[in-house]
Amino acid sequence: QSVLTQPPSVSGAPGQRVTISCTGSSSNIGAGYDVHWYQHLPGTAPKVLIYGNTNRPSGVPDRFSGSKSGTSGSLAISGLQPEDEADYYCQSYDSSLKSAMFGGGTKVTVL
Amino acid sequence: QLQESGPGLVQPSETLSLTCTVSGGSISSNDFCWTWVRQPPGKGLEWITCITYSGYTFYKPSLKSRLTVSVDTSKNQFSLKLSSVTAADTAVYYCARRTRGSRDYYEDLWGQGILVTVSS
Repeated sequence: QSVLTQPPSVSGAPGQRVTISCTGSSSNIGAGYDVHWYQHLPGTAPKVLIYGNTNRPSGVPDRFSGSKSGTSGSLAISGLQPEDEADYYCQSYDSSLKSAMFGGGTKVTVL
Repeated sequence: QLQESGPGLVQPSETLSLTCTVSGGSISSNDFCWTWVRQPPGKGLEWITCITYSGYTFYKPSLKSRLTVSVDTSKNQFSLKLSSVTAADTAVYYCARRTRGSRDYYEDLWGQGILVTVSS
């Protein structure tokens, strides 16, 4: 079981907005450590979508946005597109474990 | 670019050895920590370890006793050794580059991954 908790799946129709939560604790997100988000398509390398809670690397569409509050982070996908169907992972650092870790992952399905 | 290499099949109880070759830039930079992440079949990503070019290391606690990581600056490579493997270590192993964002570190560049199966 992951230290960072994500919903196993979310779905939405094309054009809709979906959000993915990442719930941590006082030793990771709640301690002030950043939340990062990755997109992973089967058979390919993971790709960073959001770093430092809210920052998008160049080339990532502005449909993707991140936020953080308390012990949780969130990834929002606006204007959902078929190519957004993938697995999404949050990541942070835990001061008790002294290690980085990923959430369990969320599969996004475009209906 | 990053590229993993190593055996695709390892016998149970033996040591898994992988190498990541870094191209298009130097591994000898204080800005990065060189990382290994794995994904068992049907499961999520698991952060394992990272090492700086000067040899400073970070480990996932539950794997630390079985891990050895190293950097070869002359070859622009870093390596992973995982001892006493079992079927639970079967996974796609990714190497990646860990860089500093606005405050904390994240993986900004990844290899394509290599499937390692532990089986007799």
